[in-house]
Parts: sequence; structure tokens; C-alpha cells
Amino acid sequence: EDQVTQSPEALRLQEGESSSLNCSYTVSGLRGLFWYRQDPGKGPEFLFTLYSAGEEKEKERLKATLTKKESFLHITAPKPEDSATYLCAVQTEGTDKLIFGTGTRLQVFP
Amino acid sequence: DAGVTQSPTHLIKTRGQQVTLRCSPKSGHDTVSWYQQALGQGPQFIFQYYEEEERQRGNFPDRFSGHQFPNYSSELNVNALLLGDSALYLCASSLGDRYPYAQYFGPGTRLTVT
Repeated sequence: EDQVTQSPEALRLQEGESSSLNCSYTVSGLRGLFWYRQDPGKGPEFLFTLYSAGEEKEKERLKATLTKKESFLHITAPKPEDSATYLCAVQTEGTDKLIFGTGTRLQVFP
Repeated sequence: DAGVTQSPTHLIKTRGQQVTLRCSPKSGHDTVSWYQQALGQGPQFIFQYYEEEERQRGNFPDRFSGHQFPNYSSELNVNALLLGDSALYLCASSLGDRYPYAQYFGPGTRLTVT
């Protein structure tokens, strides 16, 4: 069964303290891996798509990387406005749906 | 550029009633997917519509049904509401003929069943 696991469940960082969020996946054939940011009570906001192992994407303080079994979302020098839940999702061969993990709830305090 | 819009924002219904949620896709997108998100969980795929047909369905009962209109907008209908149907319902749009593709989400409809 295709599965996505995110860790940690929650992460508290001080402003400026860099860290990484992990997304491990077990799928029959990966078509793409997606990272989203979700603020409380709102819909997920698209951040990145990664297609193949070794690929990296960057946006402001965020950098996403992909291996054959997991993806990392690195947050460099985070600010309080980066506080949100970060969701990882995969799309597998032969299907159109996204399979989500349960997310990492990030809190960045001044 | 208009993003994905959903209506209503919030809805309170009684167990056993029926509900209809609406979604307009991002400009230029032709595919709409619906997801259910329970508190503290990731979104769960309900179904996807492309060219006015249901293209794929997740593990949801037949009480959940949908429709896509010629302008690509979509509706999600839920019959015989249960307390467990209380959740955030998300609509996502994408381009149906490009793989893999990112799905862009709307703000969601918060459904509460009492």
C-alpha cells in the first residue's frame, strides 16, 4: 500500500534556527512529490514539485530535496511568519490523486 | 489571476441532511479534485473530475457524489450526513493532460454536522 510518513509531528524553532522536515514514502512508482504549506483553517498552498531523485528546488528560506525514499524540506534562518503546517504528498503512476502525510506543525518564535 | 474559489465558507447541517459544496477552478485549469481533511490529518482524496466525467474515486461511500459543469466548475454532494462527515472540504484544480502536475487548492468549506 502506498504510504507517506512525515516527521517530526511538531517542531518548535527559535527565529534564525535552521532545521529540516522529513517526508518518507513507500510507493509502487513515483510520478511526483509535492510540498504544501497550510495555515490554520485554510487550504494548502503549493510550494514545490519534485520529480526525480537528486532534484532540488528553492524558494526564499525553503529548499526541498528528493531521494528514492524520502524528501527533506530545509528551512534556513526561519522567521515567525514561516509558522504553519507543512504537508508532503505523492502522486503515483497510474493515478491522479495525491496521497498526503499528516504534516509537520512548525512554530517559529521570536 | 483568480485562484480556486469555494462556497460556502462554513456550513452547519443536521445529521441525515444533504449538502452541496461548490468550487470554481483556477483560470485555465480543467480538472477538479475534492479532498476531505479531518482535524490534525492530511487531506484524503474523494474523487476527481475531468471533461465532466468522474476520472478516479477514493475510498468514500456512494453518499459522496459530484458533478462537473462545462465551465469546469464542480459540485460535491453528500447525502445522509453523519457526524463523522464533519471536516474541511477542499477543492483542488489542475491541468488534466499534463503529468505530473501540481494541484492548487481553494480555501475550503468547513462542514459541521450536529
